[in-house]
Amino acid sequence: ETGVTQSPTHLIKTRGQQVTLRCSSQSGHNTVSWYQQALGQGPQFIFQYYREEENGRGNFPPRFSGLQFPNYSSELNVNALELDDSALYLCASSLDTGGATDTQYFGPGTRLTVL
Amino acid sequence: RKEVEQDPGPFNVPEGATVAFNCTYSNSASQSFFWYRQDCRKEPKLLMSVYSSGNEDGRFTAQLNRASQYISLLIRDSKLSDSATYLCVVNGVETGGFKTIFGAGTRLFVKA
Repeated sequence: ETGVTQSPTHLIKTRGQQVTLRCSSQSGHNTVSWYQQALGQGPQFIFQYYREEENGRGNFPPRFSGLQFPNYSSELNVNALELDDSALYLCASSLDTGGATDTQYFGPGTRLTVL
Repeated sequence: RKEVEQDPGPFNVPEGATVAFNCTYSNSASQSFFWYRQDCRKEPKLLMSVYSSGNEDGRFTAQLNRASQYISLLIRDSKLSDSATYLCVVNGVETGGFKTIFGAGTRLFVKA
């Protein structure tokens, strides 16, 4: 086990609603990244947080936002949900040592269904 | 052109076979490379890091070719338990900050 936990495991929402997903990093890790994985695709990078600041972002609209807390746990918020937001949302924690070489360890994911 | 490309497969091989996957990437400034394994409806799990000097872990060997911008994974003596999707991962720092790019994955089925 990686020590990365996510909640909830499954979630069903309707179009237009807002959702908050949570992630608890592996002990000692200061960086968290969030990914969206649609069925049959590889994970798509949403953003990364390092020490409570956004450290990088993929090609996702502003309605995808995040937070990282002083204990390095994290939230992903998605506003105005669309049907295409249905996916597995993964968070990954890592220990940032100042470069892009850090290994990421994934949580089990939250499966979001938007109806 | 996709930033990271993999042959989606599927690769269907018998137990004991040797199988190789390649993955190409477009950003020559990419800094680190990994192979992950993902079982159906599970999270990706780190298989190994990839270095120019090569990296071997038991039956698995990974290699990075920076000049040609591809990484490879070789699995020897395939086991039934090796059946999974193999994802290549490329990390880098771009104008907007850190970025990780996953390939779409290569599916492997090992049959008895």
